[in-house]
Amino acid sequence: DQQVKQNSPSLSVQEGRISILNCDYTNSMFDYFLWYKKYPAEGPTFLISISSIKDKNEDGRFTVFLNKSAKHLSLHIVPSQPGDSAVYFCAASQYPRDDKIIFGKGTRLHILP
Amino acid sequence: KAGVTQTPRYLIKTRGQQVTLSCSPISGHRSVSWYQQTPGQGLQFLFEYFSETQRNKGNFPGRFSGRQFSNSRSEMNVSTLELGDSALYLCASSGTGDLNTEAFFGQGTRLTVV
Repeated sequence: DQQVKQNSPSLSVQEGRISILNCDYTNSMFDYFLWYKKYPAEGPTFLISISSIKDKNEDGRFTVFLNKSAKHLSLHIVPSQPGDSAVYFCAASQYPRDDKIIFGKGTRLHILP
Repeated sequence: KAGVTQTPRYLIKTRGQQVTLSCSPISGHRSVSWYQQTPGQGLQFLFEYFSETQRNKGNFPGRFSGRQFSNSRSEMNVSTLELGDSALYLCASSGTGDLNTEAFFGQGTRLTVV
């Protein structure tokens, strides 16, 4: 049973445009959501997070939106840059945080020149 | 501040053998989690240790085990290796275990079973 779903295995976006990566979850007990970015041969690195008490969190070019009623979150990258080409993992956990972070399968983002 | 260190980086083993992977968390972090990454499966949670105790376990067979030492370093062991165990094994450390904090990952150990 996949609790965190990233239904798009890959996404191609023109440089300078907006990249939107989507994520759905099934467990209504999740209340903390994270996005990780992974380059080949490296471990995932934390990008941005959002708590369920918010519906938006922004950090520079990255914004995460949370729609609790739809159990859906999305990561927006504006403007997209070549260095953004990577695999993006959506992840979720619940409070009290039991450190069991559940990850999606990832979406490979290609930024086209 | 040094990051999460995993050793070895690459490993080739034969079916039926056993393997031990090591993870040194960020200094001061007491929580260490292990994940398996295979193509198409994303990051699958193996187990999590906090203060030398296994606090959570994923849905993996008993061939996968781990432990954590008093200095928070953790080891993961896989016995009777199968071809399907070939994967990237990632270790992540985090601080308090109580707050919603992100986990910091190591570079991983690439295990190939032949």
